[in-house]
Amino acid sequence: NAGVTQTPKFQVLKTGQSMTLQCAQDMNHNSMYWYRQDPGMGLRLIYYSASEGTTDKGEVPNGYNVSRLNKREFSLRLESAAPSQTSVYFCASRGGQWGEAFFGQGTRLTVV
Amino acid sequence: SQKIEQNSEALNIQEGKTATLTCNYTNYSPAYLQWYRQDPGRGPVFLLLIRENEKEKRKERLKVTFDTTLKQSLFHITASQPADSATYLCALDTGRRALTFGSGTRLQVQP
Repeated sequence: NAGVTQTPKFQVLKTGQSMTLQCAQDMNHNSMYWYRQDPGMGLRLIYYSASEGTTDKGEVPNGYNVSRLNKREFSLRLESAAPSQTSVYFCASRGGQWGEAFFGQGTRLTVV
Repeated sequence: SQKIEQNSEALNIQEGKTATLTCNYTNYSPAYLQWYRQDPGRGPVFLLLIRENEKEKRKERLKVTFDTTLKQSLFHITASQPADSATYLCALDTGRRALTFGSGTRLQVQP
């Protein structure tokens, strides 16, 4: 029972490089989310997908794009990484209208 | 602006005491509110959900209250233990299924 799986766990990028963070869930959840967490701060919502085929901006979408590839997978892309995007990224999924969110183990991204 | 606020200062208490954490929100009318626990280096883990028509919810040593007039939820841990030391976050649906979190409060229980 894998739950929510994120890859990679760690990544170092140079400024201007691009990369895609992958997320997959095996709980048949409709909604999926990408958050970033910076030291001393809570989770800030980047993008989310309420259901397959839809995506919406969260609080801090600038510099990111997302793709809801299918019901299981939701990827986050950084087209041109900046040092300000150094953070820990969490993917989450949620089923039902009031369901609890299940989180992946996080991706620690450093942009130098 | 719309906000979900939690006390950013760490809460330090002695083992056996009751810890009380606060979550305040503005400009929302949520149908429910959730509480999560986060340990260092890990993703948050769900603890409790309380609905707008529920004044109080309990689960073992945890108790959550929800006052929609004050726009506030209180999270209590009774008979606290060092193992309860973690960051606790509140979250609510801010529209169109966007689950938005507060900044979290770090709890430290001293033995």
